[in-house]
Amino acid sequence: DIQMTQSPASLSASPEEIVTITCQASQDIGNWLAWYQQKPGKSPQLLIYSATSLADGIPSRFSGSRSGTQYSLKISRLQVEDTGIYYCLQRYSNPWTFGGGTKLELK
Amino acid sequence: QVQLKESGPGLVQPSQTLSLTCTVSGFSLTSNSVHWVRQPPGKGLEWVGAIWSGGSTDYNSALKSRLSISRDTSKSQVFLKMNSLQTEDTAIYFCTTGGVMDAWGQGASVTVSS
Repeated sequence: DIQMTQSPASLSASPEEIVTITCQASQDIGNWLAWYQQKPGKSPQLLIYSATSLADGIPSRFSGSRSGTQYSLKISRLQVEDTGIYYCLQRYSNPWTFGGGTKLELK
Repeated sequence: QVQLKESGPGLVQPSQTLSLTCTVSGFSLTSNSVHWVRQPPGKGLEWVGAIWSGGSTDYNSALKSRLSISRDTSKSQVFLKMNSLQTEDTAIYFCTTGGVMDAWGQGASVTVSS
């Protein structure tokens, strides 16, 4: 199975800051990488798919990038409503696997 | 619009079988895959398995021996069955669809306890 190592596990940042969350794949997964945001008591919401494509209705302050087998989610100009837990997901091969999650809090 | 709704028993006894149903609307099961994802209390997301548009299935390696996913296209329903349940299977179970899982149900809470 492909392992997705996500970091950091948690972070705290101030409004308007830029934050970056990364996922390292244990092998090549191409661009088969998605990012999700989950708020307490809610279902996950798709943010980014195909490593860099913004999902419908997602603010442009969210962006995704790839460098080899490392994938990054960047949130520019952090807003209060961006608090939550972020997960990456590889769908290159079965079984699909999630990263461990990053809990984002605002100061 | 695309909608999914999970249903099933909230409480299952250890060693028993879990049966969950995902009822969908706004899309066809013969054109879209449906996945199951679970989340134990306070923990991260775990991909459980999927049934693809053609009817084939794939499962989480760790759950494969206990898991079955099937569907009834005439009723727009997808079924998850997991046997030999243990306390570690306590979780919220979500069904989701889309090539990138962009539509989710609200989740069904399952507690394994005697």
